[in-house]
Amino acid sequence: ETGVTQTPRHLVMGMTNKKSLKCEQHLGHNAMYWYKQSAKKPLELMFVYNFKEQTENNSVPSRFSPECPNSSHLFLHLHTLQPEDSALYLCASSLRLAGGNAGELFFGEGSRLTVL
Amino acid sequence: AQSVTQLDSHVSVSEGTPVLLRCNYSSSYSPSLFWYVQHPNKGLQLLLKYTSAATLVKGINGFEAEFKKSETSFHLTKPSAHMSDAAEYFCVVSGGSQGNLIFGKGTKLSVKP
Repeated sequence: ETGVTQTPRHLVMGMTNKKSLKCEQHLGHNAMYWYKQSAKKPLELMFVYNFKEQTENNSVPSRFSPECPNSSHLFLHLHTLQPEDSALYLCASSLRLAGGNAGELFFGEGSRLTVL
Repeated sequence: AQSVTQLDSHVSVSEGTPVLLRCNYSSSYSPSLFWYVQHPNKGLQLLLKYTSAATLVKGINGFEAEFKKSETSFHLTKPSAHMSDAAEYFCVVSGGSQGNLIFGKGTKLSVKP
């Protein structure tokens, strides 16, 4: 048990569907992250939330919409996705250090998304 | 600027033989360095981390890494590979944009019986 829980573990959706990925951390951390992991590509940082405020958006298309209602929960809302968005989406959390460094990341097991 | 390079995309060893996964970093100051492991269809798990204390860092499952500033390296080693070590390994350095971590491209470790 990593302390970071992601649901659902697997999701299949059509290009016109709307779905959401959920992440919850039980570690008392103050920062949460979404990463995308595609086959044959490096891990891509998508979004960073620090104390519920979005501090990083790495040029992610607007069909991905994050939401962080509190320091323990993070969502990724998905709509009108493309087949190339199929990937493993990983959530992570950390205790953000003074000076703003991320610190050690704790990852969930990921949500495997397939877009048909 | 900070960066990290994993020198091998794929390493294959026989069970019981030593493991060496190579990582070089670039940093304008003393960084924090991490190794993470990812088994198939799982999230990433921290193996070990260096944060400017002892240069030889011991991690879980018998892995260790040595921080060598003169060589800007942080190679991961294990004396004897087990079948369960087959996974992808990521070398990570601190100090990216907004203080975020920078991940290497990963090294896939295969272990032959």
